[in-house]
Amino acid sequence: AQKVTQAQTEISVVEKEDVTLDCVYETRDTTYYLFWYKQPPSGELVFLIRRNSFDEQNEISGRYSWNFQKSTSSFNFTITASQVVDSAVYFCAGGGTSYGKLTFGQGTILTVHP
Amino acid sequence: EAGVTQFPSHSVIEKGQTVTLRCDPISGHDNLYWYRRVMGKEIKFLLHFVKESKQDESGMPNNRFLAERTGGTYSTLKVQPAELEDSGVYFCASSQGIRGEQFFGPGTRLTVL
Repeated sequence: AQKVTQAQTEISVVEKEDVTLDCVYETRDTTYYLFWYKQPPSGELVFLIRRNSFDEQNEISGRYSWNFQKSTSSFNFTITASQVVDSAVYFCAGGGTSYGKLTFGQGTILTVHP
Repeated sequence: EAGVTQFPSHSVIEKGQTVTLRCDPISGHDNLYWYRRVMGKEIKFLLHFVKESKQDESGMPNNRFLAERTGGTYSTLKVQPAELEDSGVYFCASSQGIRGEQFFGPGTRLTVL
């Protein structure tokens, strides 16, 4: 079975601060996929980033970056220079290679104050 | 290109009634998933279609839930009879391949009174 833990229930920052959202993904799979989704107040789930367990590099995409540490099963997501529009619930999710279903964490509520 | 659409956006029904939720995936996506988020808890998987076949229905809570995907296009999720604990937001997602990113619809908020 897979387990996704987002230890931070809520985070509050002031605009332009950097913020890191934590995620731990536990699985027995040797190959797996990790995702971050954003749920703004409008309710839809928006795909943000994907990381494969076999990827060598951590990446940056605009103001988003992510850091995957296989030894600790952590998949942290950082927003640089946060903006008010980043306020949302952020979900970490993981899936395996032999099945399609995703396992989600409980979500982290991010509030960015002006 | 249109994203995943779901209908209705909200549904309020009484306990014991029947409700049918619809999902239209992104065109060309063979994989279609249903998930549910109940009472602010984590989003939980319900089932997975590959085209018209049920690939995995391990998350379906009980036999009051029936999902179909006739013709491998849109899918319906019927709850009959609805119970109070079925209240929540039902999300549909689709992907091209089984390992592809899943793109989610806006969800259907179901309230059972």
